[in-house]
Amino acid sequence: SQQGEEDPQALSIQEGENATMNCSYKTSINNLQWYRQNSGRGLVHLILIRSNEREKHSGRLRVTLDTSKKSSSLLITASRAADTASYFCAYTGRWGAQKLVFGQGTRLTINP
Amino acid sequence: EPEVTQTPSHQVTQMGQEVILRCVPISNHLYFYWYRQILGQKVEFLVSFYNNEISEKSEIFDDQFSVERPDGSNFTLKIRSTKLEDSAMYFCASLARRHLNTEAFFGQGTRLTVV
Repeated sequence: SQQGEEDPQALSIQEGENATMNCSYKTSINNLQWYRQNSGRGLVHLILIRSNEREKHSGRLRVTLDTSKKSSSLLITASRAADTASYFCAYTGRWGAQKLVFGQGTRLTINP
Repeated sequence: EPEVTQTPSHQVTQMGQEVILRCVPISNHLYFYWYRQILGQKVEFLVSFYNNEISEKSEIFDDQFSVERPDGSNFTLKIRSTKLEDSAMYFCASLARRHLNTEAFFGQGTRLTVV
């Protein structure tokens, strides 16, 4: 299967704590991206990391990529109630039409 | 910032009816995609479209589905005879050639409810 897998499926933490979500995949990738989705709403692109990159930062977000383990992690530091959402990893393969293959997602709840 | 727009935001249809979901991709983009997300599940790839033809499609995209770029700006997904299991959120996305290794731009989605 080419599907991405994420863990945990659900994560509940206190505001101000850090949240870490993991993603694994099974094929060679071109890039891996993280998206956020508020309940029933659209997909918001957060960050993209290319296959030749190991770490990337954007504001409170930090993404790592380990191509040898075929895994990525998303760290949200100093979480806020507004970070409550589902987070999906998605990757594009090395060939083809650059379709995105999404993981199952992590439902993150930030408790005030 | 340019954005992908989808209409309608929500459509309710009776089983067996045809529906057309519409998308206006970003104007200079060349690659177009449809994805769907059944409630509570992950986002699934349906089809990609480039140079006025389908470049890749998934197993979900069977004969009941078709895509079209009728006028150079709209990108439509047609479901010929809807089934209950077609109820989902449908997302359109587009990608510019020069952005092939950057993010796809997603629309806000159309929530399709088949009753």
